[in-house]
Amino acid sequence: DIVMTQTPLSSPVTLGQPASISCRSSQSLLHSDGDTYLSWLQQRPGQPPRLLIYKISKRFSGVPDRFSGSGAGTDFTLKISRVEAEDLGVYYCMQATQFPYTFGQGTNLEIK
Amino acid sequence: QVQLVQSGAEVKKPGASVKVSCTASGYTFTYNYMHWVRQAPGQGLEWMGWIYPNTGDTNYAQKFQGRVTMTRDTSISTAYMELSGLRSDDTAVYYCARLTAAIGSVENWGQGTLVTVSS
Repeated sequence: DIVMTQTPLSSPVTLGQPASISCRSSQSLLHSDGDTYLSWLQQRPGQPPRLLIYKISKRFSGVPDRFSGSGAGTDFTLKISRVEAEDLGVYYCMQATQFPYTFGQGTNLEIK
Repeated sequence: QVQLVQSGAEVKKPGASVKVSCTASGYTFTYNYMHWVRQAPGQGLEWMGWIYPNTGDTNYAQKFQGRVTMTRDTSISTAYMELSGLRSDDTAVYYCARLTAAIGSVENWGQGTLVTVSS
């Protein structure tokens, strides 16, 4: 199974300031079809996860442009340009290149 | 709009089975893979497997093989996940999730079903 490792696991942030989360996979997520199936999900307390970013850097419908994704191969990053109160919660990276699909441990974005 | 509506919370004894349903609306049920993901209390997300409603084909994570069965009823656009031989560490929120080939990720999630395993 592909292991997804996120850092940090907890990220105290100041509202209005940027935030960044890293995700590393134990093997390349480049699929034989040429796409890289790395996504970022947000989960607010008591809610199901919500898709933010897919295929490394594509924002899902309705996601604010302060969220951006980057990376390639085994190293990926989610950035929030200016954190807003509604952004607080747990963020997961997820790979769908190889079954079983796997998730990072989650990063808890909290107010400093 | 797309909705995935799951069945209500369950309390089961160790060794029992549970069957969770997920009713889809707002898209063509048969042509999108339906995945199941679970989340133990205070823990992260764990992939269980998928079913392709059009054919009934399934693919289960090795961890759950032999204990999980995913089925569907296309006449009512509903997918099911049945887990047998329940143990206390199966206590979790179980989610159904629609994955689309267009984006290669999960676009929609059910609201979750809490399954509690306790004697």
